[in-house]
Amino acid sequence: KQEVTQIPAALSVPEGENLVLNCSFTDSAIYNLQWFRQDPGKGLTSLLLIQSSQREQTSGRLNASLDKSSGRSTLYIAASQPGDSATYLCAVKGSNYQLIWGAGTKLIIKP
Amino acid sequence: DGGITQSPKYLFRKEGQNVTLSCEQNLNHDAMYWYRQDPGQGLRLIYYSQIVNDFQKGDIAEGYSVSREKKESFPLTVTSAQKNPTAFYLCASSITSLQGGQPQHFGDGTRLSIL
Repeated sequence: KQEVTQIPAALSVPEGENLVLNCSFTDSAIYNLQWFRQDPGKGLTSLLLIQSSQREQTSGRLNASLDKSSGRSTLYIAASQPGDSATYLCAVKGSNYQLIWGAGTKLIIKP
Repeated sequence: DGGITQSPKYLFRKEGQNVTLSCEQNLNHDAMYWYRQDPGQGLRLIYYSQIVNDFQKGDIAEGYSVSREKKESFPLTVTSAQKNPTAFYLCASSITSLQGGQPQHFGDGTRLSIL
């Protein structure tokens, strides 16, 4: 059974720092992996989607990587800003085509 | 602007009462989903629908029911059989069914609490 883990559960860094969020999964047979952002009391916004055949995707200051063999994905945020403060969730689409979700990392960027 | 609208934003349920959460999308998406979010846990799939008049149970369907009479609408009813309904409920949609590689788009959620 696929399990998705995000560590740490919370992270606080000063503004301007580059940072990495981690996502690990137990079953490497995935179709894709997605990173989402959730602001307090709000829905989710899709940030990046990496197909199983891809190694990374980039959007602006965000870069997501995927290593299926090790069951890991990272979300790199460059030059962090207070507006980046949110909860970041990853989800993998496995062999049953359903998304399996991590519990998220709550990110706080201190001005 | 195209998007997903969930209503109400906050909902309170009395003991033994059924309540219905609304989800409407104008993105012309075929697939729609309902998730439940609890603190410290990942989202869990309640029901999903790949096409009008068809829907499938997710991992935690007990105590919930849905209908998909129109492409734009996918209401979720939380029945009195759901003994722990307090949670944040999220509706999502995607262009194609689960087999597609397209991302899911989400509404802003409904927070359900027990009176």
